[in-house]
Amino acid sequence: QLQLQESGPGLVKPSETMSLTCSVSGGSISSSGHYWGWVRQSPGKGLEWIGSIYYTGITYFNPSLKSRVSISIDTSKNQFSLTVRSVTAADTATYFCARDVFLPPPPNYFDPWGQGTLVIVSS
Amino acid sequence: EIVLTQSPATLSLSPGERATLSCRANQTISHFLAWYQQKPGQAPRLVIYDASNRATGIPARFSGSGSGTDFTLTISNIEPEDFAVYYCHQRGAWPGTFGHGTRLDIK
Repeated sequence: QLQLQESGPGLVKPSETMSLTCSVSGGSISSSGHYWGWVRQSPGKGLEWIGSIYYTGITYFNPSLKSRVSISIDTSKNQFSLTVRSVTAADTATYFCARDVFLPPPPNYFDPWGQGTLVIVSS
Repeated sequence: EIVLTQSPATLSLSPGERATLSCRANQTISHFLAWYQQKPGQAPRLVIYDASNRATGIPARFSGSGSGTDFTLTISNIEPEDFAVYYCHQRGAWPGTFGHGTRLDIK
């Protein structure tokens, strides 16, 4: 059974860089043919797709965040990571990693999801 | 980007009743709409994809319909474990977007 687990700091200071990692178990991140994505959820904006990555390193990003985010993948560790630069209070959210449902590139649905990790941006 | 409007914001029903949740897109998205269920402290769970297809392990009491701009999630004979927040999500236009959810509460 495929499982995803997010990890990273729960508190980040404004203007700093935030990094989160998603560890995948129960399947290979490079052999499934799926894209792997990040979605965040905040009380103000609800659910928001951030971006997705393929095992070859091809990435797609939400235009609203593209200038501040990057996603990388480490197939040897079966992990992929999200970096958000110059964070503000508006980046406070629960961040989920997830697998795209279908093989084609985004936009796509997500299943399964990790349990999520809360990141608070505050000094 | 596509805006998805869900209604009602809250739906209060009793177990055994039928729930009808709506999701409306501001532009046509063909049949490219999914529904997720989210319980407190948990991640969203895929329930319906491409408007009318049940995801793996989803009971038959869940059904989806619609195309174009108007979509419906129906839960017939609500079970206690069905009370949750339901979100719609479109992949018919770039970028994918989500609705703000309908909370299904116990009456």
